[in-house]
Amino acid sequence: EVQLVESGGGLVQPGRSLRLSCAASGFTFDDYAMHWVRQAPGKGLEWVSGISWNSGSIGYADSVKGRFTISRDNAKNSLYLQMNSLRAEDTALYYCAKGPGDFSLFFDYWGQGTLVTVSS
Amino acid sequence: DIQMTQSPSTLSASVGDRVTITCRASQSISSWLAWYQQKPGKAPKLLIYKASSLESGVPSRFSGSGSGTEFTLTISSLQPDDFATYYCQQYNSYYAFGPGTKVDIK
Repeated sequence: EVQLVESGGGLVQPGRSLRLSCAASGFTFDDYAMHWVRQAPGKGLEWVSGISWNSGSIGYADSVKGRFTISRDNAKNSLYLQMNSLRAEDTALYYCAKGPGDFSLFFDYWGQGTLVTVSS
Repeated sequence: DIQMTQSPSTLSASVGDRVTITCRASQSISSWLAWYQQKPGKAPKLLIYKASSLESGVPSRFSGSGSGTEFTLTISSLQPDDFATYYCQQYNSYYAFGPGTKVDIK
């Protein structure tokens, strides 16, 4: 059974940093692209960032480019999102999501999310 | 950037109704479109990919159609478990979601 478990969320002041993690199990992690998708409270879904199986292709939404960095450790079956210079508008539930194969596809499994609140 | 719109934003329906949700892209995305269902407090669930391919385990009352810029998700006979919010998502050029359609009880 595919499982994606996010962690690392919390309350952080504007301008500070936070690192999210996603622990994957139940599939061959290094065969698949992985992504972060966020959802602000009461709002819709927004793709944040994605990374191919070998980290050769990486992409970011314009809203986070230059502030967030995605990475993965295939030996640890883990996905990460380093979030710097956080803003109030980054407040959201952050989901880890698995792609079905290559980088530019849809998301077939999702974690339950970790909540990031940016507030002073 | 490709923009996605959905209509209606809210849909009130009864069990047994046939329900259709429309998704439009600001430019052609061929058939690179997925549909998701999200219930309150839960993660989204993939229903349809490549515009009309049913994800494994998804009931056959769900179907998708369309190509280019206009797409539809149809629920042939609405069931109690189907009251939720539905999102379309293009993956032709990076990724973008529609704003969602909430299906609630009439």
